[in-house]
Amino acid sequence: NAGVTQTPKFQVLKTGQSMTLQCAQDMNHEYMSWYRQDPGMGLRLIHYSVGAGITDQGEVPNGYNVSRSTTEDFPLRLLSAAPSQTSVYFCASSPRTGNTYSGANVLTFGAGSRLTVL
Amino acid sequence: QQQVKQSPQSLIVQKGGISIINCAYENTAFDYFPWYQQFPGKGPALLIAIRPDVSEKKEGRFTISFNKSAKQFSLHIMDSQPGDSATYFCAASVPGANNLFFGTGTRLTVIP
Repeated sequence: NAGVTQTPKFQVLKTGQSMTLQCAQDMNHEYMSWYRQDPGMGLRLIHYSVGAGITDQGEVPNGYNVSRSTTEDFPLRLLSAAPSQTSVYFCASSPRTGNTYSGANVLTFGAGSRLTVL
Repeated sequence: QQQVKQSPQSLIVQKGGISIINCAYENTAFDYFPWYQQFPGKGPALLIAIRPDVSEKKEGRFTISFNKSAKQFSLHIMDSQPGDSATYFCAASVPGANNLFFGTGTRLTVIP
C-alpha cells in the first residue's frame, strides 16, 4: 500500500516553462488536494477535488490548473512557471467528503515535490 | 489573510521539558482542530485533533488544550524528546469540509 505518491521529488524550471506535478493515491480516496508550503506561510490550499470530474479552487489557485479524470490521479499543471511558484508542493487525500463532522476526514500527505523556478 | 495564527515560529526545549505551541482563530464556524507533525523531507502527518465541544484531549505525551471563548488552542508536549524535533502545524476546518486552513508552523528543536 503506497499511500500518496508524488513525482518528481525535485524539479528546476526556467521562467515561462510548463510542467505537471503528478499525484497518485491507492486508497480509493474521494477527496484530493494540492497545497504549497513556503517559509513563514504554512501550507496553503491551491486546488482540490471531491471526486472524479469535480475540481475547485483553494486559497492560491492563480497560475495552476488541475483535472481529475480518475479517482486515483490528481495532476497539478503549471502553464507558465514564475519565480513566485518556487515552493514545496504537497498532494493530500482523504477518504470521505460531505460528512457533517469534518474531523472524520484525516488528510494523508505525499512526501512533497520541491520546485525551483529560475 | 491567515485564518489560523500560530506562535512561536521556532522553539528550543531541553530534553524532558514541556513544549507549548499556541494557535488562534477568528472563524467561529470551525469545528475541527487538528495538529500535524512534519519531519524534514516528509509530508505532514496527523498527530492529534480536537472538536470545539471538548476542552482538552490527551494522547500519550501530547495534549491539546482548547479555549472556545478565547478562540485559542494549544499543543503541549510533555517530557519532550529529541525525536520530537519537527515542524508542527495547527489547522482548522469548517463542518462538512475536507479543506484545512493551516497555521504558519513552529519548528521545534529538543536539545539532548
